[in-house]
Amino acid sequence: KAGVTQTPRYLIKTRGQQVTLSCSPISGHRSVSWYQQTPGQGLQFLFEYFSETQRNKGNFPGRFSGRQFSNSRSEMNVSTLELGDSALYLCASSPRAENTEAFFGQGTRLTVV
Amino acid sequence: QKEVEQDPGPLSVPEGAIVSLNCTYSNSAFQYFMWYRQYSRKGPELLMYTYSSGNKEDGRFTAQVDKSSKYISLFIRDSQPSDSATYLCAMSGRTLFSGGYNKLIFGAGTRLAVHP
Repeated sequence: KAGVTQTPRYLIKTRGQQVTLSCSPISGHRSVSWYQQTPGQGLQFLFEYFSETQRNKGNFPGRFSGRQFSNSRSEMNVSTLELGDSALYLCASSPRAENTEAFFGQGTRLTVV
Repeated sequence: QKEVEQDPGPLSVPEGAIVSLNCTYSNSAFQYFMWYRQYSRKGPELLMYTYSSGNKEDGRFTAQVDKSSKYISLFIRDSQPSDSATYLCAMSGRTLFSGGYNKLIFGAGTRLAVHP
């Protein structure tokens, strides 16, 4: 069974640009969550989608947004990039609506210059 | 106070040692408990998953959950240099701001180094 796939793996963007990251969950998983990981802050929860609906949202500015499609694939978008947005962005999918456990992709490493 | 507390380490042990990693939490609604292992520049990998209190063993790894003390542990027996990684605890349950749904909360992660 294929794992969680995130694309692209690496990205370099300039301040002020926007970026879209993609996540394909494990087949059959309908819950997809996004996290930002930095050395100083650890894993920070961005948002969670289940059946195309955002169920939970973390404490990030409105520049961070996401969506989920009917096939459970998800995208997150960051507009007006700032240097502080440089991080590893991780997507995780869960097999159950109760979020009993999550399976992570390899992440997208975003560098903002 | 954070919902989940985990000592970031680093923890350095010799090969073959028994390693004990721990987390404490404050939300009694947490019911599902997990341990993840994360190698440098990789995504976290689910190691152990436990529902409610009790022990669970998988090879050299044992996870313990004590809900009465709000304390979870991961033990690694006969530690190997390949176990060197960051270990994150995580738990799932309804929190004050989770809108009625379970939410996964992660600890900060403990860096473990096993030296030959």
